[in-house]
Amino acid sequence: NAGVMQNPRHLVRRRGQEARLRCSPMKGHSHVYWYRQLPEEGLKFMVYLQKENIIDESGMPKERFSAEFPKEGPSILRIQQVVRGDSAAYFCASSRAGTGGAGQPQHFGDGTRLSIL
Amino acid sequence: QKEVEQNSGPLSVPEGAIASLNCTYSDRGSQSFFWYRQYSGKSPELIMFIYSNGDKEDGRFTAQLNKASQYVSLLIRDSQPSDSATYLCAVKMGGTASKLTFGTGTRLQVTL
Repeated sequence: NAGVMQNPRHLVRRRGQEARLRCSPMKGHSHVYWYRQLPEEGLKFMVYLQKENIIDESGMPKERFSAEFPKEGPSILRIQQVVRGDSAAYFCASSRAGTGGAGQPQHFGDGTRLSIL
Repeated sequence: QKEVEQNSGPLSVPEGAIASLNCTYSDRGSQSFFWYRQYSGKSPELIMFIYSNGDKEDGRFTAQLNKASQYVSLLIRDSQPSDSATYLCAVKMGGTASKLTFGTGTRLQVTL
């Protein structure tokens, strides 16, 4: 499967636990983006990463959330001390490097549905 | 004013008709425009993207962009029941690296 791979597909955590969501970009893509979709709401940008660099984290909550994209391995979105309001679908997207001002198309993974008990 | 606005619908069209989905955006510096289709409980799937004013056609889909009016649309010809989904308009705004700003989507229902 050459698409964007996310795991796990479903994740259940109790309040106060940590959640780790993983994303491997499409082959040939070097840019990774994380989005969150709350029930009945649109997709909201969280963070944009390239290998070993966070390019834009303007959509990340200031506390408890962090993201990384190491030189080797998948991108990780980490949520510490989860609360009920963190329940959502978390989507990862990837793209090729862009040229000029136009954004390269982003392709989405199947998402991780996070449920907080 | 929302940055990217779409009518939430539902937009109901009969099978075989043309479905017209519309989107307006607030930032005149926006550079790239994308349409995604999302079935209930599934992930967004890229349908079309357009960068320049005018029309871009791909099979039954046509994207139309008018930067002066800050308006982008998606036409679906010969609509099929399988086209029933939520269509998301996404915009790369000027000076925002590569992040996309999404509208809340228009739900399309194609009836038999």
